[in-house]
Amino acid sequence: GAVVSQHPSWVICKSGTSVKIECRSLDFQATTMFWYRQFPKQSLMLMATSNEGSKATYEQGVEKDKFLINHASLTLSTLTVTSAHPEDSSFYICSARDRQKLPEELFFGEGSRLTVL
Amino acid sequence: GENVEQHPSTLSVQEGDSAVIKCTYSDSASNYFPWYKQELGKGPQLIIDIRSNVGEKKDQRIAVTLNKTAKHFSLHITETQPEDSAVYFCAASKNQGGKLIFGQGTELSVKP
Repeated sequence: GAVVSQHPSWVICKSGTSVKIECRSLDFQATTMFWYRQFPKQSLMLMATSNEGSKATYEQGVEKDKFLINHASLTLSTLTVTSAHPEDSSFYICSARDRQKLPEELFFGEGSRLTVL
Repeated sequence: GENVEQHPSTLSVQEGDSAVIKCTYSDSASNYFPWYKQELGKGPQLIIDIRSNVGEKKDQRIAVTLNKTAKHFSLHITETQPEDSAVYFCAASKNQGGKLIFGQGTELSVKP
């Protein structure tokens, strides 16, 4: 099946630094990717919809200047957590839509665990 | 906005018993309802899904039912095995491949 890869799988950073997480669709083109955040023992909360070649659409309450999303190619979307703070520590998960399949299918990455000290 | 409620939050069963997890959704425009299994430290894996034009779907030990009138859908796992232990999430979307709204999750524990 289709594979979505996230990198890094885990990262530890100091408070105030920025961290970039990559989401790649390995064997299909994804014009749309979704970014979710999951706190321990909680559900996945949609942060934003990433569209190739255009600006991301953010969900209500998600700061676009803090969570920068770039979707510059059909196989790569990046999420940059700027000026990270301990409360940003979370599990970040992306999903990518394969539009060449009918019906369209959504594939999830394995997640990236961010710990901010 | 769309809201998905999931119950129970935890479920413990004996190996071989059945497990049922229920979800309700608020947006009547939702027409795609997937179920995901998430193991610790991993991303969610699709285990079964159902579209609004179908009332029931089965795949071996797993089945999903949908009641559009009542806006609820359920996951049924029969003959549970210890490897079924994980967190299960329901979700709803207005179209397959679109953004998903997830339920709160159910931590299933299957005791040998």
